[in-house]
Amino acid sequence: GAGVSQSPSNKVTEKGKDVELRCDPISGHTALYWYRQSLGQGLEFLIYFQGNSAPDKSGLPSDRFSAERTGGSVSTLTIQRTQQEDSAVYLCASSPGTGPYEQYFGPGTRLTVT
Amino acid sequence: KQEVTQIPAALSVPEGENLVLNCSFTDSAIYNLQWFRQDPGKGLTSLLLIQSSQREQTSGRLNASLDKSSGRSTLYIAASQPGDSATYLCAVGDDKIIFGKGTRLHILP
Repeated sequence: GAGVSQSPSNKVTEKGKDVELRCDPISGHTALYWYRQSLGQGLEFLIYFQGNSAPDKSGLPSDRFSAERTGGSVSTLTIQRTQQEDSAVYLCASSPGTGPYEQYFGPGTRLTVT
Repeated sequence: KQEVTQIPAALSVPEGENLVLNCSFTDSAIYNLQWFRQDPGKGLTSLLLIQSSQREQTSGRLNASLDKSSGRSTLYIAASQPGDSATYLCAVGDDKIIFGKGTRLHILP
């Protein structure tokens, strides 16, 4: 079956512009996660959605970052007024639920802020 | 605050050798521990998931163990192959996964 997909695969943007990154989870997965992988920082949690519950936004690094999930499926991560330190690979994952389930990752979106 | 450490950061071994990758975590009150593989420029592939009540999991040439009391996990790779070359990441948690920085493994043909 289809795995987690993300678009675009690469995005280059100028400092100060807004960007939107998209994630399509595996069909039927109720939990969706966003992570960021920066050089020298490793992978860090950003936000997760579970069903209709309020998302856990505790990992978002600043109020320039936001995410939404429409209809319990597709999610969009928005970064406003991008900064050079936002350059990273943004990874999305989904799982059948929260708890003892494996998370399945998409290929990521490489964001470069110039 | 949970911290995950992986040692070594990089490892090169000749093909055919058995090897062990180490992971330690500071908070033993974990739910799950997961080992992932990441190839250059690619996303993460889940290898093994160990639930908190389990001690180990096996998949093919891979065996992962979990010792919650000591805050350690190991990933054992038997009869290594060049195709095993990748970065291996250890991660703990159920929802908000905390990742280690990985071990870059290079299998020498």
